[in-house]
Amino acid sequence: QKEVEQDPGPLSVPEGAIVSLNCTYSNSAFQYFMWYRQYSRKGPELLMYTYSSGNKEDGRFTAQVDKSSKYISLFIRDSQPSDSATYLCAMSRSGSARQLTFGSGTQLTVLP
Amino acid sequence: DGGITQSPKYLFRKEGQNVTLSCEQNLNHDAMYWYRQDPGQGLRLIYYSQIVNDFQKGDIAEGYSVSREKKESFPLTVTSAQKNPTAFYLCASSRTSANTGELFFGEGSRLTVL
Repeated sequence: QKEVEQDPGPLSVPEGAIVSLNCTYSNSAFQYFMWYRQYSRKGPELLMYTYSSGNKEDGRFTAQVDKSSKYISLFIRDSQPSDSATYLCAMSRSGSARQLTFGSGTQLTVLP
Repeated sequence: DGGITQSPKYLFRKEGQNVTLSCEQNLNHDAMYWYRQDPGQGLRLIYYSQIVNDFQKGDIAEGYSVSREKKESFPLTVTSAQKNPTAFYLCASSRTSANTGELFFGEGSRLTVL
């Protein structure tokens, strides 16, 4: 069983929809949680970063962590065609970049 | 513009050949990393380097080698010992290896073994 599970999709939604992307994990020691966005044939870029449980909002993006359920989510409001990308969750115990464990990514397409 | 430059973008290799992927950064970051990305799998760490002249194996180092002679440069050699080298390779950097998870990635190199 993988330490971090992420539904690969693909997920297609109409422009303006609310998108929910999720990851589950098995290691209860994870405390640092990230979402990276990766456009086709490009490297990932950090989108959201949270520590421990709770919510964090940045514009149209909200990251949510539920440590009791070992479940994290990324919500995208008013989705745009430019949000079409693969979204990778990543997490670690210590916050150290060298200890990140990545999910396999969810491919999202927002249709105009 | 600061960033990470990887070359080549696409590379074809015959079986039994070694190839070297280039990674250069001008972000003045201490730490650099090499990841491998395969369909349906998360990014897997091959090697990382915290400072010049030092590097450590990641989770899948077998069949790969690296060097870190300059702060800006962290080339990856895929050797003939790597059983399944066809993949998308990503180089990344962070201010330090203890940095809180923010990695800056290059645009990747796609290696195909013929």
